[in-house]
Amino acid sequence: AQSVTQLDSHVSVSEGTPVLLRCNYSSSYSPSLFWYVQHPNKGLQLLLKYTSAATLVKGINGFEAEFKKSETSFHLTKPSAHMSDAAEYFCVVSLYNFNKFYFGSGTKLNVKP
Amino acid sequence: DADVTQTPRNRITKTGKRIMLECSQTKGHDRMYWYRQDPGLGLRLIYYSFDVKDINKGEISDGYSVSRQAQAKFSLSLESAIPNQTALYFCATSDPQGSGTDTQYFGPGTRLTVL
Repeated sequence: AQSVTQLDSHVSVSEGTPVLLRCNYSSSYSPSLFWYVQHPNKGLQLLLKYTSAATLVKGINGFEAEFKKSETSFHLTKPSAHMSDAAEYFCVVSLYNFNKFYFGSGTKLNVKP
Repeated sequence: DADVTQTPRNRITKTGKRIMLECSQTKGHDRMYWYRQDPGLGLRLIYYSFDVKDINKGEISDGYSVSRQAQAKFSLSLESAIPNQTALYFCATSDPQGSGTDTQYFGPGTRLTVL
């Protein structure tokens, strides 16, 4: 069975401090992993994806994520939060040959001035 | 212009009415998907289609139907709308790549309210 767990439904940070959004997955197969961001009243935008090449993946807007197979994790980080990062973030797992996408329940990031 | 468009963007309807949500894409992708988003539940897959002749149920297909009129168009219908179908609906497309990585591209969403 495949699933995605986002460990925090809400995260609040101050502007300029690091961001950590946690994601764990379970999969019987080698997964592809994604992070998407959804700003208020907007659709979902791809932040980054893991393609089984480098385990440290860099995305847009200074975000990056590290695939750790031993921990079945794909946590999203950013060294310094910006007010514009306030949004909801979704971790997604996809299985090659199964062609489906499984979404986590989302983490809402609040950035305080 | 947006690659994936959805119409309408907002809709309010009454219980029992038939509703159609439309999705069009200019990305040339074969695969299209319909999801619904509810607070705290993430996105859940309603139906997906890998080409014009291939349509599959997702995890929450009851009460919904779809039509793939062309590669570029994928419509979602609520045959008889009920209040618990009030949600934000997203259409997405994807294009499988040789690496096995399949990125989805989302439309802006349709906010549906069933009274």
